[in-house]
Amino acid sequence: EAGVAQSPRYKIIEKRQSVAFWCNPISGHATLYWYQQILGQGPKLLIQFQNNGVVDDSQLPKDRFSAERLKGVDSTLKIQPAKLEDSAVYLCASSLERGSREQYFGPGTRLTVT
Amino acid sequence: KQEVTQIPAALSVPEGENLVLNCSFTDSAIYNLQWFRQDPGKGLTSLLLIQSSQREQTSGRLNASLDKSSGRSTLYIAASQPGDSATYLCAVKGSSNTGKLIFGQGTTLQVKP
Repeated sequence: EAGVAQSPRYKIIEKRQSVAFWCNPISGHATLYWYQQILGQGPKLLIQFQNNGVVDDSQLPKDRFSAERLKGVDSTLKIQPAKLEDSAVYLCASSLERGSREQYFGPGTRLTVT
Repeated sequence: KQEVTQIPAALSVPEGENLVLNCSFTDSAIYNLQWFRQDPGKGLTSLLLIQSSQREQTSGRLNASLDKSSGRSTLYIAASQPGDSATYLCAVKGSSNTGKLIFGQGTTLQVKP
C-alpha cells in the first residue's frame, strides 16, 4: 500500500513570495490533515478535511494560508505572502475516517523563508 | 486549553541502557494518548496508542504507561540500540474520537554504540 505522498520535499523562498505544497493521501482515506512543525516543536494542526469539506481550520492563519481538497483526494496548501516565521516542516497526514485510530503521515515539506 | 510537555528535550545514552521518556498534559479529559517516532527528513510513525481506559501498552522493547489522573505518560525503552535514535513525540486526543491531536515538543534521543 502506497503511503502519503508530498511534494516538493524542500523549498526555499524569499519573504513576501508565495508557495504551494501538494499532498496525495492514501487511497480511500476520507480525512486529510495539514500540520505545521516549527523546529524544536511538535506538529500543530492547521486544517482538517473530511472528503472535500473543512472540519477544523481554527489554527489556520487565514490572512495568508489557504488550503483546498476539491475532489476529496489530493490537497494543496498555499502561503501568500510568506513570512520568516513560516519556516517549518509542513506535514500531511490521512486517516480512513475522522474517528480513525491511526493517522498516516507523509515525509513533509521543509520550507525555508529568507 | 490542553498543553503537552515532554521532558527532557534531548537525551544521550550508551547502547544497552534502559531509559524513560516523560510526557505530561494539563487536561485529564483525553480520549487517548499516542507515542510517535520521527526520523530526520521523514514523517511520524505511530509506536503505541493507549486508550483513556487503559493503563499501559507494550510492543517489543517499548512500554507506554498512562496515568490520566496525574496527567502523565511514560515511554520505557528497554535495552536501547543505536537504531532507536530518533525524536519521540507524544500526542493526546481530546475527549472524543474525532478530537484533534495535541503534540508535545518531543524528546530527541541519541543512542551511542
